[in-house]
Amino acid sequence: AQRVTQPEKLLSVFKGAPVELKCNYSYSGSPELFWYVQYSRQRLQLLLRHISRESIKGFTADLNKGETSFHLKKPFAQEEDSAMYYCALSLVGGTYKYIFGTGTRLKVLA
Amino acid sequence: NAGVTQTPKFQVLKTGQSMTLQCAQDMNHEYMSWYRQDPGMGLRLIHYSVGAGITDQGEVPNGYNVSRSTTEDFPLRLLSAAPSQTSVYFCASSRGDQPQHFGDGTRLSIL
Repeated sequence: AQRVTQPEKLLSVFKGAPVELKCNYSYSGSPELFWYVQYSRQRLQLLLRHISRESIKGFTADLNKGETSFHLKKPFAQEEDSAMYYCALSLVGGTYKYIFGTGTRLKVLA
Repeated sequence: NAGVTQTPKFQVLKTGQSMTLQCAQDMNHEYMSWYRQDPGMGLRLIHYSVGAGITDQGEVPNGYNVSRSTTEDFPLRLLSAAPSQTSVYFCASSRGDQPQHFGDGTRLSIL
């Protein structure tokens, strides 16, 4: 069965420290993975898409098919990074059918 | 472009009442979806549509109906509200193989 696992509900780090938000997936097909971010009381926004291989707001994520992981990383956390982060797996070519993880709340402490 | 617009933003219902959550997008996206967001459970797909006149069930469809008479609109109907439907509801749309765009959400409480 398709599944996305985010093992940490809450991750607290100090400003300037490295951040890694974990995401593991289970999918028999060719995975297409995303990271979405939700700042306080705002709509979900796309942060990263694995096929783009971009760095957005200093965040990167690499798809590791061997470990079935798509961890989100940032070398130096900023206070404005505090938000809810969701990892999502697309079942149909990046379109309308996503499986979301349960989310990780990142708190960056001053 | 307004993007994806959801109304209302907040709603309180009594058990057994019915209501419709509205979702409209002005981006000519063929794909639209409804999710519910619950603490500790992430977002779960309720219903989705791949174009006008075509809808299908997602992971948690029970108690909800949808229709897609136009490309722009994708309303979600609660037939007989139950406390278990207290949640935040998000509508999303997308086009081709592009990622989804989300609305601001509707916070619904069922008493």
